[in-house]
Amino acid sequence: DAGVTQSPTHLIKTRGQQVTLRCSPKSGHDTVSWYQQALGQGPQFIFQYYEEEERQRGNFPDRFSGHQFPNYSSELNVNALLLGDSALYLCASSLDGLSSGNTIYFGEGSWLTVV
Amino acid sequence: KNQVEQSPQSLIILEGKNCTLQCNYTVSPFSNLRWYKQDTGRGPVSLTIMTFSENTKSNGRYTATLDADTKQSSLHITASQLSDSASYICVVISNDYKLSFGAGTTVTVRA
Repeated sequence: DAGVTQSPTHLIKTRGQQVTLRCSPKSGHDTVSWYQQALGQGPQFIFQYYEEEERQRGNFPDRFSGHQFPNYSSELNVNALLLGDSALYLCASSLDGLSSGNTIYFGEGSWLTVV
Repeated sequence: KNQVEQSPQSLIILEGKNCTLQCNYTVSPFSNLRWYKQDTGRGPVSLTIMTFSENTKSNGRYTATLDADTKQSSLHITASQLSDSASYICVVISNDYKLSFGAGTTVTVRA
């Protein structure tokens, strides 16, 4: 049983470009969340998708958008990239939201470097 | 504003010794608290999940405690091993599904 898989694992973009990161949740999981983790810091919540809808959103600008597909996989899109967007982007999946006791599984992340 | 504060920021311990990491939070309304281990450059891995009514939970050499009244949690590592070297992150989840992460404690275990 594959866990949470993310792609690409590493990528380099220039300022102003757009990037799309992809995530496949653990089998059977219907909830996907995205996080940004700058070097040496804890992850910051970007947004959460459940049943193809954005259910919660953190304090990130509209340049950050996402989508969840019927098979529960998800994409994170970032437009007009800034140097400060360089970070590890983590995807996590869980079953039926984040109810007490539901384990959240993280992917290995996508390293984005903006130059 | 929901906050999660972890201490110490980092620590170095000798192999075989014990250590305790602290997590204080102001998240409300509280649903559950989780500790994660994150190796450098890897995704976090779940260690424990604790709900409001749970005071202690163990996972092998890891033991987490929770005091929901004072909004404090600790993670105790017993008989540390070199493989315990990692960042340990405290995550608090509110009833409206929002996650608040601590900045993590970096643990270095030396032989």
